[in-house]
Amino acid sequence: TQLLKQSPQFLSIQEGENLTVYCNSSSVFSSLQWYRQEPGEGPVLLVTVVTGGEVKKLKRLTFQFGDARKDSSLHITAAQPGDTGLYLCAKETSGSRLTFGEGTQLTVNP
Amino acid sequence: DAGITQSPRYKITETGRQVTLMCHQTWSHSYMFWYRQDLGHGLRLIYYSAAADITDKGEVPDGYVVSRSKTENFPLTLESATRSQTSVYFCASSKGGTSNEQFFGPGTRLTVL
Repeated sequence: TQLLKQSPQFLSIQEGENLTVYCNSSSVFSSLQWYRQEPGEGPVLLVTVVTGGEVKKLKRLTFQFGDARKDSSLHITAAQPGDTGLYLCAKETSGSRLTFGEGTQLTVNP
Repeated sequence: DAGITQSPRYKITETGRQVTLMCHQTWSHSYMFWYRQDLGHGLRLIYYSAAADITDKGEVPDGYVVSRSKTENFPLTLESATRSQTSVYFCASSKGGTSNEQFFGPGTRLTVL
């Protein structure tokens, strides 16, 4: 059972466009992580958000944690082909375990 | 800085055979994890380990066995492979404590015929 719902599942856009992907849960997160996975590789951590309402920026990527800590979003400005990949959100459960969403597969076309 | 490695990277086997996937990390991280990744299911936790000789089941443990006699190694064994175990398997490690960032290996693509 997936406790984290990501949307959209697939997104194909042109270079230069903006996009937002979402991660939602019915329960509160203590913290939320966003990972990016490129083809043939394992996921790599982008950011961790821990405080409700928190906004973190990583170059053209903006991560937001909802005030109620049940949702998060990732916004990419002026997407580039190098942003192509699978974006995964993950919440911590007990014992340093993570539960992952199904992911958003992003394709940025040149 | 070797990090976390998995072997083999690709494996084809037949139904009923035993297969062991290897995972090795050089950071002395306490926690290690095995996931499988399938289309439509994301990453699902198979087994995890909080330290040497301590292992526990994750979300989908049936048909798999793990051991952790040394901190740096966490092998995953499919005792009698089935077609439904065709997947990409990822090993990960984390320091634990206040840092729950997980570092992933490159994955093993397993095909069971």
